[in-house]
Amino acid sequence: GAVVSQHPSWVICKSGTSVKIECRSLDFQATTMFWYRQFPKQSLMLMATSNEGSKATYEQGVEKDKFLINHASLTLSTLTVTSAHPEDSSFYICSAREGGVTQYFGPGTRLTVL
Amino acid sequence: KQEVTQIPAALSVPEGENLVLNCSFTDSAIYNLQWFRQDPGKGLTSLLLIQSSQREQTSGRLNASLDKSSGRSTLYIAASQPGDSATYLCAVTKAAGNKLTFGGGTRVLVKP
Repeated sequence: GAVVSQHPSWVICKSGTSVKIECRSLDFQATTMFWYRQFPKQSLMLMATSNEGSKATYEQGVEKDKFLINHASLTLSTLTVTSAHPEDSSFYICSAREGGVTQYFGPGTRLTVL
Repeated sequence: KQEVTQIPAALSVPEGENLVLNCSFTDSAIYNLQWFRQDPGKGLTSLLLIQSSQREQTSGRLNASLDKSSGRSTLYIAASQPGDSATYLCAVTKAAGNKLTFGGGTRVLVKP
């Protein structure tokens, strides 16, 4: 149980385009989802926290207009990187929480912007 | 602001040796501490979770200790195997349901 999936697992796009990443909780209802980014050989940095049906809370320094987060249902949250640039290339990981303490992590999405 | 540090950043040991991974945090007012494993290009797998009231947790060859007052946790992996090669991350949370603050990780290589 407690499986979180991400789609796509990897994506390559041209500079200036937008990319959407999906995070799904497969066997539980995720009242809260988190989005992290991870640069090579570095740790995870929390980008934002999203609660179902409400606006996401962004961490300091994260541009909310660039990284659009939608958590429209209890099993799906999306992260859209708008007008992507090479510096947005990174590994994006989501996690989901049903209501307790434990966060379950997705397998990650590698974004490469050319 | 909570800061989590992991030393060493990388570690290479021959198969069979015990591994000792260190994690320190600046704010001792934590709710719990978790150790995760991350394989290259993959997501995170939770290994052990220690509540702030606990001193240690064990699972198989893994044992994690917590000294909250000094802001330290140690992950011990006994009799290391090549399959233990991965990056190990520790993370703390300030309160139930709050965000995780991660350390930089320790990259472990166990040589056959």
